[in-house]
Amino acid sequence: DQQVKQNSPSLSVQEGRISILNCDYTNSMFDYFLWYKKYPAEGPTFLISISSIKDKNEDGRFTVFLNKSAKHLSLHIVPSQPGDSAVYFCAATGNQFYFGTGTSLTVIP
Amino acid sequence: NAGVTQTPKFQVLKTGQSMTLQCAQDMNHEYMSWYRQDPGMGLRLIHYSVGAGITDQGEVPNGYNVSRSTTEDFPLRLLSAAPSQTSVYFCASSSVGGETQYFGPGTRLLVL
Repeated sequence: DQQVKQNSPSLSVQEGRISILNCDYTNSMFDYFLWYKKYPAEGPTFLISISSIKDKNEDGRFTVFLNKSAKHLSLHIVPSQPGDSAVYFCAATGNQFYFGTGTSLTVIP
Repeated sequence: NAGVTQTPKFQVLKTGQSMTLQCAQDMNHEYMSWYRQDPGMGLRLIHYSVGAGITDQGEVPNGYNVSRSTTEDFPLRLLSAAPSQTSVYFCASSSVGGETQYFGPGTRLLVL
C-alpha cells in the first residue's frame, strides 16, 4: 500500500511561472519530508526538506509547504526555469524512507 | 570524494542466472539501502542496513539477498533472476539520523 502518493504523473509550466508539485501521505508518524530531483540516467539528488514541526521551508527558488492536518506537502518553484525539467519525488521518513511515484515536470521556454 | 558508486551500469541476464550488483560509498555512512525504480511505481525499498552486520527487509525484498560486511560496501544479490526483476536499481546512503540520502547513478538490469 502506497504510503506516499503523487497523484500527478506530469506537469507542464511556462518558463518564469510557478510550478506546484503535490504529495500526500497516509502515515501521521512520518517526521521528516524531502523532495528529490531526478534527471534521466542519473540517481535522484536531494533538493529540499522539511521537518514535521515546521510548515514551510525555503531555499532560493524552492519552497516546501507542509500541512500536517491534511497530510499534504507541496513544492513550489518560482520562477520555473527550463533546467528544472526533471522528475520530482517526494519522500517521507519514519523508520525507513518512503518515496512517491514521481511527477515529471516540463518547463517550456 | 566519489560519493556512492554502483557497478555495473547496465546488465543483461537470462532467467535463472544469478548476479551481484555492487554498491560502495566513501562518506562513512552507516545507513545504506537498495531501491528499484519501475514506471508508475516510484522508488521502492528492497533492503537496507543501519551498519555493518545489520540488514533488514524493505517493501519488496523477495528474490534479493544482501549482506553488509563493511561500512563501505552493500552488495545486492539476485539469486535466480526473473523477468519481473527487470528494473533500474539505485543504492543510497546516509548517516544514521541524517535526513538526506545520497544516491548512486543506478544500474539498469534487463532479465530476458
